[in-house]
Amino acid sequence: GNSVTQMEGPVTLSEEAFLTINCTYTATGYPSLFWYVQYPGEGLQLLLKATKADDKGSNKGFEATYRKETTSFHLEKGSVQVSDSAVYFCALRNDMRFGAGTRLTVKP
Amino acid sequence: DGGITQSPKYLFRKEGQNVTLSCEQNLNHDAMYWYRQDPGQGLRLIYYSQIVNDFQKGDIAEGYSVSREKKESFPLTVTSAQKNPTAFYLCASSMGRANTGELFFGEGSRLTVL
Repeated sequence: GNSVTQMEGPVTLSEEAFLTINCTYTATGYPSLFWYVQYPGEGLQLLLKATKADDKGSNKGFEATYRKETTSFHLEKGSVQVSDSAVYFCALRNDMRFGAGTRLTVKP
Repeated sequence: DGGITQSPKYLFRKEGQNVTLSCEQNLNHDAMYWYRQDPGQGLRLIYYSQIVNDFQKGDIAEGYSVSREKKESFPLTVTSAQKNPTAFYLCASSMGRANTGELFFGEGSRLTVL
């Protein structure tokens, strides 16, 4: 069946550090891949997406590349800020289910 | 502005009472969903609906009920049969079929059972 496996947290970084949150998937075909972000006390917001292999999604300094060879969609940011503290969810779009998410805390 | 509105934002309930959470969308989306989120946990799918007057159980439907009488509305009732209802409830919608496209979320409703 279809599933995503996401790096478990929590992740704590200092401001301006490099961020990677790993996400690998198992799927039939080539579904769209998404990263959502949830700030404290709020619903989820779409952060970025990629709809086919080799596509790179980007937004707010975050990037993720849809890699068919490694079945991965890792989230990266070159320099995190305190305001990036949130929970991040990787999702397959032919499955309505989400993983546990990865909590990121950025300290000044 | 288009979006999803959940109400109430906070709700307190005594044990044995049913409570209904409202979810309204003006995005003209076909599919709507309810998720439950427990502290430090991911989202678990309760129910989803792809079309008016039709809905399907998700992974944790026991103790919950829904209706979809109008395209824009998908209320969730947490019944007294739900053993541990205290949680954060999220409603979402998407265009087209339930397994395609981006999900748009409401801001959530936090239910506390006293």
